[in-house]
Amino acid sequence: GEQVEQLPSILRVQEGSSASINCTYENSASNYFPWYKQEPGENPKLIIDIRSNMERKQTQGLIVLLDKKAKRFSLHITDTQPGDSAMYFCAARYQGGRALIFGTGTTVSVSP
Amino acid sequence: GPKVLQIPSHQIIDMGQMVTLNCDPVSNHLYFYWYKQILGQQMEFLVNFYNGKVMEKSKLFKDQFSVERPDGSYFTLKIQPTALEDSAVYFCASSSDGRAEQFFGPGTRLTVL
Repeated sequence: GEQVEQLPSILRVQEGSSASINCTYENSASNYFPWYKQEPGENPKLIIDIRSNMERKQTQGLIVLLDKKAKRFSLHITDTQPGDSAMYFCAARYQGGRALIFGTGTTVSVSP
Repeated sequence: GPKVLQIPSHQIIDMGQMVTLNCDPVSNHLYFYWYKQILGQQMEFLVNFYNGKVMEKSKLFKDQFSVERPDGSYFTLKIQPTALEDSAVYFCASSSDGRAEQFFGPGTRLTVL
């Protein structure tokens, strides 16, 4: 299977709180997991990624966790700001492949 | 940062006609991709192209679809003939190698009437 499930589909948070998005994948041979942020009418932009040789990665207010046993990975946005409001997509790529299989997306809305 | 350009930004055509979507990938990138995004949904992989050949394609990459990059010019997606269900935003992406970050263009919104 090549599907990537992503939850929740909509996430509303207060400015300054954290937001968490969870994804699960089917193909145990997946080894690369990027997260893209897409604003309305714009192209998706990579914000952080993690490879299967890591369990945790952090950069500029973003944390990604990878649990290979559970085939689950997550994005945590700490101290959310209104500028974090956007659609977020997780993706997975299996070893040897080039295609990114995207999750169904999460609309994050940060209110002041 | 590196930019992928796509031309046109919008295209409206009648069902059955041919359409060509153009992508100017990041300079020196060698791997090229097309993804399809229906409004409000996720991007879905169509095809990966490297060294003049289709390397991977999905079930969405129908027989009516073709890709090429003649002589290092635009990387193109041609649909002939188009169908109503081809209406979507098509994103081109490129990467320096198969394991590297994929950079996405701004998309071409295709409307088939």
